[in-house]
Amino acid sequence: DTAVSQTPKYLVTQMGNDKSIKCEQNLGHDTMYWYKQDSKKFLKIMFSYNNKELIINETVPNRFSPKSPDKAHLNLHINSLELGDSAVYFCASSQPWTGGSEKLFFGSGTQLSVL
Amino acid sequence: AQTVTQSQPEMSVQEAETVTLSCTYDTSENNYYLFWYKQPPSRQMILVIRQEAYKQQNATENRFSVNFQKAAKSFSLKISDSQLGDTAMYFCAFMAPSLSTGNQFYFGTGTSLTVIP
Repeated sequence: DTAVSQTPKYLVTQMGNDKSIKCEQNLGHDTMYWYKQDSKKFLKIMFSYNNKELIINETVPNRFSPKSPDKAHLNLHINSLELGDSAVYFCASSQPWTGGSEKLFFGSGTQLSVL
Repeated sequence: AQTVTQSQPEMSVQEAETVTLSCTYDTSENNYYLFWYKQPPSRQMILVIRQEAYKQQNATENRFSVNFQKAAKSFSLKISDSQLGDTAMYFCAFMAPSLSTGNQFYFGTGTSLTVIP
């Protein structure tokens, strides 16, 4: 039983295409996130959703749109892909005030390569 | 905003030796948590150790321990008896809990650790 699962693990596509990455968590957490890890391994928050409401939208191009149909799912849709979008994208979830077990649960990441 | 600084981009250690990874942070929050995450070549993000700011006692997990200096806003990770499997990228992270916005995590830029046989 994977706690946070994201698909696909690898995504290779051409510039200009539109693609989606799906994420699901079975932990009952209220907060889900998308992180981008670039080639230098820097981990940057893209979006944070708490109870299906967008909390953070860092300086991310509006070609990136998160969609949360319910608390257990947070999908990432990317329009008009560019070379600079090539990175590893991590989905994660967390739950506040869980009596000592607060931490970030990560998915296994999606390696996106834009050609 | 919270910031997390890891000043050592790369480090190496001989197998069986001890190594310390540095991390400093800046915050005005009084209640927060600090973490070290490990990312091996497999890409998976693995929690190594966690510290609550209100606890004075340093957290330990087997060969991993931290030196938490709240006044200095320092949170270093010590790895004892280094093993080849410790080779990975290590990220320091800060989290301030909030029911209204959800937990917000902030990561350092990482330290790439290589354990040399």
